[in-house]
Amino acid sequence: QQQVKQSPQSLIVQKGGIPIINCAYENTAFDYFPWYQQFPGKGPALLIAIRPDVSEKKEGRFTISFNKSAKQFSLHIMDSQPGDSATYFCAASEETSGSRLTFGEGTQLTVNP
Amino acid sequence: NAGVTQTPKFRVLKTGQSMTLLCAQDMNHEYMYWYRQDPGMGLRLIHYSVGEGTTAKGEVPDGYNVSRLKKQNFLLGLESAAPSQTSVYFCASTNFQGSGQAFFGQGTRLTVV
Repeated sequence: QQQVKQSPQSLIVQKGGIPIINCAYENTAFDYFPWYQQFPGKGPALLIAIRPDVSEKKEGRFTISFNKSAKQFSLHIMDSQPGDSATYFCAASEETSGSRLTFGEGTQLTVNP
Repeated sequence: NAGVTQTPKFRVLKTGQSMTLLCAQDMNHEYMYWYRQDPGMGLRLIHYSVGEGTTAKGEVPDGYNVSRLKKQNFLLGLESAAPSQTSVYFCASTNFQGSGQAFFGQGTRLTVV
């Protein structure tokens, strides 16, 4: 049972566009929601993360929007660049579970020049 | 500072063979994890450890064993490899109880023929 569902599976945008990736979760005990970025042949790297006590977090061109009542969160990439082309994973964890991350299925983003 | 290092990077096994994947971290992290990554399924937790000498099962533990004899090392073993274990394996570590940034290795691509 996939506890974190991610969409879309793939996404193509033009440079300067604003790709949006969505995730939905089931476990209301989750209290940490990170996004990871992965380039081919590399391990995932933390991009940005949010806790459920805030509705939005921005770091540079990356923004997480969080809707606790709907159990959904999303990643927005402002002014996207070709260098942002990568696979993005949303994830969730709870404090009592040893920081075990439950990942979404992943979104392959392509930003065309 | 190497971070999280996985050995080997690539391996081809025949069905029924055994092997051990080594993960080493130099950040003095308490928590370590093994994930497998398969297309369209994100990363799934195999086993994890919350400290030296401790291990616990994750989401997909069958066919794998682990050991954490030293704080800096986390070993993943396959006793009798099966084609279904063809995957990319990632090790990760974190130093915060509860929700904190996980650092990933570069991955091990394993093919079982």
